Order: sequence, then C-alpha cells, then structure tokens
Amino acid sequence: GAVVSQHPSWVICKSGTSVKIECRSLDFQATTMFWYRQFPKQSLMLMATSNEGSKATYEQGVEKDKFLINHASLTLSTLTVTSAHPEDSSFYICSARRLASSTDTQYFGPGTRLTVL
Amino acid sequence: RKEVEQDPGPFNVPEGATVAFNCTYSNSASQSFFWYRQDCRKEPKLLMSVYSSGNEDGRFTAQLNRASQYISLLIRDSKLSDSATYLCVVSGNRGYSTLTFGKGTMLLVSP
Repeated sequence: GAVVSQHPSWVICKSGTSVKIECRSLDFQATTMFWYRQFPKQSLMLMATSNEGSKATYEQGVEKDKFLINHASLTLSTLTVTSAHPEDSSFYICSARRLASSTDTQYFGPGTRLTVL
Repeated sequence: RKEVEQDPGPFNVPEGATVAFNCTYSNSASQSFFWYRQDCRKEPKLLMSVYSSGNEDGRFTAQLNRASQYISLLIRDSKLSDSATYLCVVSGNRGYSTLTFGKGTMLLVSP
C-alpha cells in the first residue's frame, strides 16, 4: 500500500513553544491531506482538511490561529501547534488521500505523540 | 447522539473464540463504511471496507444494514495477534472522503 510518513514521531516541549509536524506522502501525490487528533481512550477527531495550494478547512471548535496548516506541495503538509500548552498534549495523525481510477482511499501516517510540559 | 457508536468493550476472549463487534451510525446519508484496526500507540490501519452485500476476508466478515444504520464485524478463530482496538469508520457525512471514527472497541485475546 501507499506510504505516508510523519516527523517527528514524538516530541516533548515546554509550554509556550511552537511545534511543527510534517506529513509526507512518499509514493503518490496527495492534493488533500487530513489532520486528526486522538486523546487517550478517545476516537480520532478530524481537526482540519488540508488542500494543496489553498487554505485549510477547519472543523468546528478547532482554532485555525493555533493550529497552522500549510500544504505547499503535493507531497507535504505541515501542522504547527503554536504556543503549545499541556492540554494540547495528544497523538496527532495525518492522512493523505489517494485518488485512483475507482478508489478513494486515505493512508495514515504513523502519528506524532506530543507532550507539552 | 454520536455520529458513530460502538460497543465500549473491552472484549476478553480466549484464542479460537468467535467475537462480534457492533456499530451504529446516525447519518443516513453516509456513503462508505470501514473497519480499521488500531494497535496501542499506533496509527489506524484499514482492515476492510463494508458493503451491503456483506464481505469476507479470511476469518473476518463485515456486514452493513443501511436500513438499520448498523455495521458489524465478525472475527472467527481469534488469534493472539488480533488483540487491538477495532474502529468503525463512516465516510460521506460531510464530504465524500471525510472519515468519522467511532471510539473503538478493544479486543484482548488470551492464550
């Protein structure tokens, strides 16, 4: 199957710092990528839809100024958590949408575990 | 009502057992349905898509009842390696490719 990478796989930072997470589709071009967040024992929650060359679409309740998304190329989307606080500690997972002739599939990255002290 | 609801679990079963997971979804306009598997501290991985006609993949059988807005997953002859959280996922609620995840049901298979 298609491969999606995320970097870093884990990060620990101090409160108030900003953290950038990269999501790359390694063997296909993705015009659309998605960013999810998962708190312990909870379901994955879609944060935003990232579209190459245009602004991201944020889900209700997700602050666009706090979670900055950039999708500058067909293989890379970045999520920056600005001024992170302990309540932002979570598992952040991206997915990349691959459109083929008869299928529309999302491939997930391995996730980034963020811990804010 | 949550968009996708699953049995809370966990399900503790011995090796070789048959186990069934249930899921209901609230939006009748949903288009596509999936079961994903998520291991601890890992990303979800697609287990199988679910079709109205039912589909089987080895020991795994998935069923969809659109009238009841109900999805099921049956695992036969459970293996230790089946231990994971099983996520019911629905697409098409807010755009064709947007996925909505259930909270997941944890399965623990013991020797």
